[in-house]
Amino acid sequence: SQQGEEDPQALSIQEGENATMNCSYKTSINNLQWYRQNSGRGLVHLILIRSNEREKHSGRLRVTLDTSKKSSSLLITASRAADTASYFCATEGSGNTGKLIFGQGTTLQVKP
Amino acid sequence: ETGVTQTPRHLVMGMTNKKSLKCEQHLGHNAMYWYKQSAKKPLELMFVYSLEERVENNSVPSRFSPECPNSSHLFLHLHTLQPEDSALYLCASSLYRNNEQFFGPGTRLTVL
Repeated sequence: SQQGEEDPQALSIQEGENATMNCSYKTSINNLQWYRQNSGRGLVHLILIRSNEREKHSGRLRVTLDTSKKSSSLLITASRAADTASYFCATEGSGNTGKLIFGQGTTLQVKP
Repeated sequence: ETGVTQTPRHLVMGMTNKKSLKCEQHLGHNAMYWYKQSAKKPLELMFVYSLEERVENNSVPSRFSPECPNSSHLFLHLHTLQPEDSALYLCASSLYRNNEQFFGPGTRLTVL
């Protein structure tokens, strides 16, 4: 299985602090994606990073990918209470199948 | 709003009922997906459609029957479900299968 596994499972920080979440996977991938989910709602796509990329930025988000270690990290800088949500990594294997394998997610709580 | 809508948002059904979940995307995407999200389990891919053709059936029981009449609409027909099928069912779409996916808000299904 190439299931992504997030670490930590839960994270609680103060507003203004940075939050780092990690994701590990087991087999080769075409791309890795990060999503956010507010409680009981649909997922919102954050960033897609392809296997030949090492780092991507989007606003306060920074994603890194290390294919040699089969791992990725999501950094949220200057966190806000509105960032409170669950964050999931998802991997797509080779072949452009669209078949995403999701991890269990990291629950982030940002305290005002 | 992600451009993907799902109806109904909540559904309660008995094990002998037949119901359908509907998904519609207004993004001009070519691929659509059904996912199941159960408590304490990773998001599970159920079906993938590309240009209205089913390209992935992730070992889903036959009591779940998908239908994709055109590239904008996706249905999930349900019959003789079990209580363990209670979950949040999420629909998603993407431009092509290796692009980021846009999720609908989900249908919260309870099987009694």
